[in-house]
Amino acid sequence: GAGVSQSPSNKVTEKGKDVELRCDPISGHTALYWYRQSLGQGLEFLIYFQGNSAPDKSGLPSDRFSAERTGGSVSTLTIQRTQQEDSAVYLCASSFPLAANEQFFGPGTRLTVL
Amino acid sequence: DAKTTQPPSMDCAEGRAANLPCNHSTISGNEYVYWYRQIHSQGPQYIIHGLKNNETNEMASLIITEDRKSSTLILPHATLRDTAVYYCIVRPRGGKLSFGAGTTVTVRA
Repeated sequence: GAGVSQSPSNKVTEKGKDVELRCDPISGHTALYWYRQSLGQGLEFLIYFQGNSAPDKSGLPSDRFSAERTGGSVSTLTIQRTQQEDSAVYLCASSFPLAANEQFFGPGTRLTVL
Repeated sequence: DAKTTQPPSMDCAEGRAANLPCNHSTISGNEYVYWYRQIHSQGPQYIIHGLKNNETNEMASLIITEDRKSSTLILPHATLRDTAVYYCIVRPRGGKLSFGAGTTVTVRA
């Protein structure tokens, strides 16, 4: 079956513009995670959705970052008024709920803020 | 706030076993040990996980000490394609993953 997909694969934007990144999780996975990875760094947790529960937003670095998950499936990560330090690879992962063994990661979106 | 300590890098000869250590001395009773790897320019890939018993799958073996304060990931026959950053993570089942710096493994021909 299809894995986690993300779009776009690459995004170049100008400082101050808003961007939207999309994640399509594996069908049936109710848990969805967003992470980001800056150049040469490890993964940084951003936000976690689990079913209809309130999302865990504890990793969002500022109020410029927000995410939605519509219908329990597709998720959109929005970054408003982008800054150069937002440049990173944004990774999405999905899994079955608490009984899950592993998270399946998408290929990521490489965001470059000029 | 990764709860694990790994060596920053290690080399391994192709065809030989690679033994990757991880210390997690503050692990809680409900926390599992997970291993992921990330090959350059790709998303992380799940390898294996365990609670207290040793585990083996088609990719690797996981040896967890009896006190659960450390573990070793074993790649039985390393290939050049196993060159990657390997992350050892402890978390409750279903929780978010907290990635540290990992171990950069370079498999040499």
